[in-house]
Order: sequence, then C-alpha cells, then structure tokens
Amino acid sequence: KAGVTQTPRYLIKTRGQQVTLSCSPISGHRSVSWYQQTPGQGLQFLFEYFSETQRNKGNFPGRFSGRQFSNSRSEMNVSTLELGDSALYLCASTNTGELFFGEGSRLTVL
Amino acid sequence: AQSVTQLGSHVSVSEGALVLLRCNYSSSVPPYLFWYVQYPNQGLQLLLKYTSAATLVKGINGFEAEFKKSETSFHLTKPSAHMSDAAEYFCAVSLSTNAGKSTFGDGTTLTVKP
Repeated sequence: KAGVTQTPRYLIKTRGQQVTLSCSPISGHRSVSWYQQTPGQGLQFLFEYFSETQRNKGNFPGRFSGRQFSNSRSEMNVSTLELGDSALYLCASTNTGELFFGEGSRLTVL
Repeated sequence: AQSVTQLGSHVSVSEGALVLLRCNYSSSVPPYLFWYVQYPNQGLQLLLKYTSAATLVKGINGFEAEFKKSETSFHLTKPSAHMSDAAEYFCAVSLSTNAGKSTFGDGTTLTVKP
C-alpha cells in the first residue's frame, strides 16, 4: 500500500506570494491533517479534513486554508507569505487512530 | 484541552545502554497516547500507541512505554540502545481514537554514542 505522498518536497517563495501544497493520503483513509513544524514552535496542528469537510482547526491566521477533494486528496494554501511561514509542512492521514505522515514539504520564504 | 510535556530536549546514551525518554500529559478526558520517531528530512512514523487497553505497550524496534495514570506519564524505554535509534522522538496525545487532531510534545533528540 502506498504511503502518504506530499508534493512538492521543497520550494522557495518570496514574501507576499502564495503557495499551494498537495497531499495524497493512504488509500482508504478519509481523514487528512496538516501540521506545521518549525524549530521554535515544534509541531503545530493546522487543520483536519474528513470527507471533504473541515473537522478541526488549529490556531493559525486565515491566510492558512485547506480543502479536501472527493478522492480524499488534500491541498493547503498559504497566502501573503511571511518570513515566519518558513517551515516543514507535514500531512498525515488516518483511519485507525494513529497518524501516518508524509515526508513533508519544506517551504522557505525569502 | 490536552497538552504534552517532554522532559529533556536532548538525551545522550551509549550504545547498549538503557534509553528512557520522558513524557507527561494533561488531558480532561481519558487520553490516547502515542510515540512517534522522526529521522532527518523525513516525516514521523509511529513507534507505539496506548488506547486504553494494556498499560504496558510494546512497539517497533524494541521500544515500549508504560501508561501510568496516577503519574500522568507515558515514558518511552528501550533496554539497549542501538546507533540506528538516533533520531527525534515525539510524544503525542489525542482525545479520541481519531488522532487527526493530536497535540505533540516539543520532541527529544536522542544521540547514541559508540
């Protein structure tokens, strides 16, 4: 069974731009969550989608948004990028109680 | 609300020595607890999980953890460290069997000396 796939793996953007990250969950998993990982803040929960509906949301500004498609694939978008948005963005899927993570998308904002 | 505290951001052991990584949790309801490991430039992978069955949980690669409600702890142990155990370890808590919204500790970096 294929694991969680995230694209792109690495990307560089400049302040003010926007970015879209993609996540394909494990087949059959309907829940997809997004986390931001930084050296200073650790792993912070962004949001969770289940059956195309946002089920949970973390404490991030509205510049961070996401969506889920009918095939459970998910995207997250960050608009008006700031330097502090530089991070590893991790996607995880689940249907059994534990999270299965992708390798992440490393975003650098210059 | 729930929270996780990992005591010690860095732990160093010699190869063959006992590994003990500490995790304390706070939860308003019976928690579901997890330990994950992260190798450089990779995502996290599950080591083990506690979901209210046996209090001593065995995981992959020889790791185990014991849930102690009275101490609100879920420490991770391994009897004999191996060089390949060097990584960052995260304790996490969720309020339900759906771990989609989990709260993670700050992580503990384990170094294994030859």
